[in-house]
Amino acid sequence: GAVVSQHPSWVICKSGTSVKIECRSLDFQATTMFWYRQFPKQSLMLMATSNEGSKATYEQGVEKDKFLINHASLTLSTLTVTSAHPEDSSFYICSAPLEGPYNEQFFGPGTRLTVL
Amino acid sequence: GDSVTQMEGPVTLSEEACLTINCTYTATGYPSLFWYVQYPGEGLQLLLKATKADDKGSNKGFEATYRKETTSFHLEKGSVQVSDSAVYFCALRNTGNQFYFGTGTSLTVIP
Repeated sequence: GAVVSQHPSWVICKSGTSVKIECRSLDFQATTMFWYRQFPKQSLMLMATSNEGSKATYEQGVEKDKFLINHASLTLSTLTVTSAHPEDSSFYICSAPLEGPYNEQFFGPGTRLTVL
Repeated sequence: GDSVTQMEGPVTLSEEACLTINCTYTATGYPSLFWYVQYPGEGLQLLLKATKADDKGSNKGFEATYRKETTSFHLEKGSVQVSDSAVYFCALRNTGNQFYFGTGTSLTVIP
């Protein structure tokens, strides 16, 4: 099946710094990608929809200035957590649909962010 | 709003035991329902899906039936294997193409 990768798989940073997470579709193009956040023992929560060539669409309650999303190409979306704080520590997961946003989603392995 | 509630884990079973992981949903309209599986160190993978009422999704011996009357999509397998050890997520996709996930159920199968 299609493969989605994320980099890094885990990152530890100091409070106040910014962290960039990459999501790549390795063998298919994705005009749309999705970013999720997962707290321990909780559901995946959709944060935003990343759109190639246009602005991301954020879910209610997600700070767009804190979680910057850039869909630079048809195979790459990045999520930058700006001025990270300990409460931003979480598991971030991206997904990309094959051939349009209504079809099967392929998920990346996730990125564990720990903010000290 | 739309939501998914699934049985909390962890679940530990002996090999060849029967598995049921309960999942119920709340949604307006007619969502599509999914079960995803996450093996250690890997991303979520689609296990099975059902797009309308009474549909049965099946894959790798797992089954789930879309029950609109009970708003449920329980995952079942008659005989689990050690290789089935993973975390299982129930999810719905609503008519607005938004995904909502359950909290995940960790399954460990012991020989």
